[in-house]
Amino acid sequence: GENVEQHPSTLSVQEGDSAVIKCTYSDSASNYFPWYKQELGKGPQLIIDIRSNVGEKKDQRIAVTLNKTAKHFSLHITETQPEDSAVYFCAASLGIMTTDSWGKLQFGAGTQVVVTP
Amino acid sequence: EAQVTQNPRYLITVTGKKLTVTCSQNMNHEYMSWYRQDPGLGLRQIYYSMNVEVTDKGDVPEGYKVSRKEKRNFPLILESPSPNQTSLYFCASSPREGSQETQYFGPGTRLLVL
Repeated sequence: GENVEQHPSTLSVQEGDSAVIKCTYSDSASNYFPWYKQELGKGPQLIIDIRSNVGEKKDQRIAVTLNKTAKHFSLHITETQPEDSAVYFCAASLGIMTTDSWGKLQFGAGTQVVVTP
Repeated sequence: EAQVTQNPRYLITVTGKKLTVTCSQNMNHEYMSWYRQDPGLGLRQIYYSMNVEVTDKGDVPEGYKVSRKEKRNFPLILESPSPNQTSLYFCASSPREGSQETQYFGPGTRLLVL
């Protein structure tokens, strides 16, 4: 089955600096890679996702890159703000095309991001 | 408001005392799932359901049961809870149409089994 590793486990950045979180996956058939943000006391919420036919995707201050050959993908947050402080999870999935595995996300262990003013 | 709700949000119980955590979504989603979150392990899937009366095991199903009698509800049942089931539990739902795969998570249920 799929195995997702996420690094680092904790990340402390100064406000305004960039933050990068990296994930690797094991199953080359995985084709959907979402990132979730979990604020204290809340459930995870999707912030950005990417599919295997795309190498990079941006949404304002966040971006995700995917290297299918190396089987790794990364989340980039630029101009970090205190409200970016949260736990971030990457995940990988075989996606919607595989009936048996549809929706089955394999999550990384999470990264605690702390943005200090 | 579109949402996934879970009850209770916090629960302290003792070993062996059956409990049920309810999950309900108002988005008419076909797919629902239960996860547990433990430090250093991320989110691990317990059970999932592709539709009414269709359920299947996730990665860590031992000690849990689920049912999907109606589309909106997906309760998680612990018949005989043990301390190793102390965890933070999340229910999630997702539409199954087109390329929409986003999972919407509930607020979580923190369970302590003594």
